[in-house]
Amino acid sequence: DTGVSQNPRHKITKRGQNVTFRCDPISEHNRLYWYRQTLGQGPEFLTYFQNEAQLEKSRLLSDRFSAERPKGSFSTLEIQRTEQGDSAMYLCASSFLGTEGSDTQYFGPGTRLTVL
Amino acid sequence: GDSVTQMEGPVTLSEEAFLTINCTYTATGYPSLFWYVQYPGEGLQLLLKATKADDKGSNKGFEATYRKETTSFHLEKGSVQVSDSAVYFCALTPWAGANSKLTFGKGITLSVRP
Repeated sequence: DTGVSQNPRHKITKRGQNVTFRCDPISEHNRLYWYRQTLGQGPEFLTYFQNEAQLEKSRLLSDRFSAERPKGSFSTLEIQRTEQGDSAMYLCASSFLGTEGSDTQYFGPGTRLTVL
Repeated sequence: GDSVTQMEGPVTLSEEAFLTINCTYTATGYPSLFWYVQYPGEGLQLLLKATKADDKGSNKGFEATYRKETTSFHLEKGSVQVSDSAVYFCALTPWAGANSKLTFGKGITLSVRP
């Protein structure tokens, strides 16, 4: 069990550029979550997948944001036409939802995005 | 909607002092409650959890009890160490069976001096 991994760890981009982040969950975890964390705040939920299906998106997730989990394994989060307000730490978490109906999320190290 | 409120920080303690970090929540139904910790330069780690009223979660000398009557989940440790210096987040997920997205508090920074 290698834990949740995220790439890249840091990304600096210019306003208006597109960026894509990748998350590799713990193997056999069927749920995958994306969160955003700004300085001095707790993480805020963006979206989540159960297997390959995207089941919920936060109102925080504007049309410039899109996430995929094509084979129910790794996930990508793309931000189009980045804005300075998108600068944040983007966190991925995974969990296994079993028959007992509750799950515990394990977080990756995050991708820190800086938009200049 | 669901929310988590943590006491204002930062908190600075001397080694071996007693620690209490307050956390209260607002949620419908019966949420699960969590404490996550973020050590300097590292990602969020689950510290402990409790899934029903009166449950006590514990790990690494930390404890928190799920108090439904006061909607609280305060974190305690009897004797803190320098290595406990970190940011602590209280969080909840909705009742079992629902979307398990975490709602976090703002976090509180703990600094322990030798």
